Amino acid sequence: DAGVTQSPTHLIKTRGQHVTLRCSPISGHKSVSWYQQVLGQGPQFIFQYYEKEERGRGNFPDRFSARQFPNYSSELNVNALLLGDSALYLCASSLDRRGNQPQHFGDGTRLSIL
Amino acid sequence: GQSLEQPSEVTAVEGAIVQINCTYQTSGFYGLSWYQQHDGGAPTFLSYNALDGLEETGRFSSFLSRSDSYGYLLLQELQMKDSASYFCAVYGQNFVFGPGTRLSVLP
Repeated sequence: DAGVTQSPTHLIKTRGQHVTLRCSPISGHKSVSWYQQVLGQGPQFIFQYYEKEERGRGNFPDRFSARQFPNYSSELNVNALLLGDSALYLCASSLDRRGNQPQHFGDGTRLSIL
Repeated sequence: GQSLEQPSEVTAVEGAIVQINCTYQTSGFYGLSWYQQHDGGAPTFLSYNALDGLEETGRFSSFLSRSDSYGYLLLQELQMKDSASYFCAVYGQNFVFGPGTRLSVLP
């Protein structure tokens, strides 16, 4: 079975631009979470979506938004990009939103802001 | 708020045993998870503890004490491939990951 897939793998943008990152969860998984990981730090929680509804939001500005589609895939959108948004963006899926369910991570999208 | 603390680095030799500690402060707590991440790779799930005590999975074991807001990951019979970063993560209101412990296994 395919794991969590993310696209694109790498992206270069300039300040002020907008970006959309995509994630396809493992088949049968209904929960998708997004994380930002800066080199040398742990993943920082951005959003969790379950059954197409936002179930959790981390401490990120309103420039960050996301949505989940009927097929449980998800998009993360970031507007008005800043240099500090340069990071690895990870998507993780799990069967449901309970904390005892392992999160399965994709390989991430590496976003560089110039 | 929620915060986790882990040692930043641990070094050990092949065949040894190493323990990585994690202390947490969280509003709402359902369980403590551990993830492994190799350089350039994605985090992979290792274990989950919801109740006090020790959970064993092969060479890896994880312990939780809810009263002490403390847990640890125990890695036995260390191998070179265990060199990676290890993150504890708390599921309370949301998932919160610790800063990570970089484990270096020396020959």
